[in-house]
Amino acid sequence: EIVMTQSPATLSVSPGERATLSCRASQSVSSNLAWYQQKPGQAPRLLIYGASTRATGIPARFSGSGSGTEFTLTISSLQSEDFAIYYCQQYNNWPPWTFGQGTKVEIK
Amino acid sequence: QVRLQESGPGLVKPSETLSLTCTVSGGSVSSGTYYWSWIRQPPGKGLEWIGYIYYNGSTNYNPSLKSRVTISVDTSKDQFSLRLSSVTAADTAVYFCARDLGGNYPFDYWGQGALVTVSS
Repeated sequence: EIVMTQSPATLSVSPGERATLSCRASQSVSSNLAWYQQKPGQAPRLLIYGASTRATGIPARFSGSGSGTEFTLTISSLQSEDFAIYYCQQYNNWPPWTFGQGTKVEIK
Repeated sequence: QVRLQESGPGLVKPSETLSLTCTVSGGSVSSGTYYWSWIRQPPGKGLEWIGYIYYNGSTNYNPSLKSRVTISVDTSKDQFSLRLSSVTAADTAVYFCARDLGGNYPFDYWGQGALVTVSS
C-alpha cells in the first residue's frame, strides 16, 4: 500500500496570500495524483488531477505540480472560500487507492 | 448533472452489519463508463477507500476490509450498496459513495455522505 504524507498538518494564511501544500508518496505514483478540497459537513471536491490539471470549474488560482513522489498544491491568492481541508490521493497503484491525512488551511 | 445520494440507518449495534445504499441520478450505473466506490471518513480523520463495483458486478475491495465488505449493484434502480459485517466502534464514520472512470482516474463526483455510528 502506498502511504501518502501531507505537510504541514495546518497552514495559517492571511486572505490574499499564497498557500503552498505538500504531498509525498512512499513510492512513485507517476502523475496519478489528485487534490481534493473539503469543507465542514461536505463531500470532498476534486480540484486537480493528473498532478497538474484543474478539474472543471476550478479557478485558475489553484495549481498543482510534481511527479513521482513529490507534489505541491499552490493557491496563489487565498479567498475566504478557500479555507478548508485539502487532501491528496494517489490512483497509480491500487487496490487500495490511498489518501493523505489532510492539510487544514486556516485564517491567520 | 450527476448526483449521488447515500441512504441507510444512522445507528448500528456492535457486531451487526452496516448497510448503505447509494442512488445515482442524472446518470446510470449501467453505462459501463464508470466505477462506483464507497469511501469512509471517521470523525475528524482522513479518507479511506473501501471498495468499488462495476456495472457487471465485478468488485475490488481494500485488503484491510476485504473479509467484512460486500458491494452489490442494482442496475434497474441505478443503485449500489455497501454491507460491512461485524462492525465495531472503529467503523463509526461518514460513508461516501463516489464514482470514477476506473483504475487510473480520480473520484470526480461524490455523494454528500451518511454518518453511521456504531453503538449499543
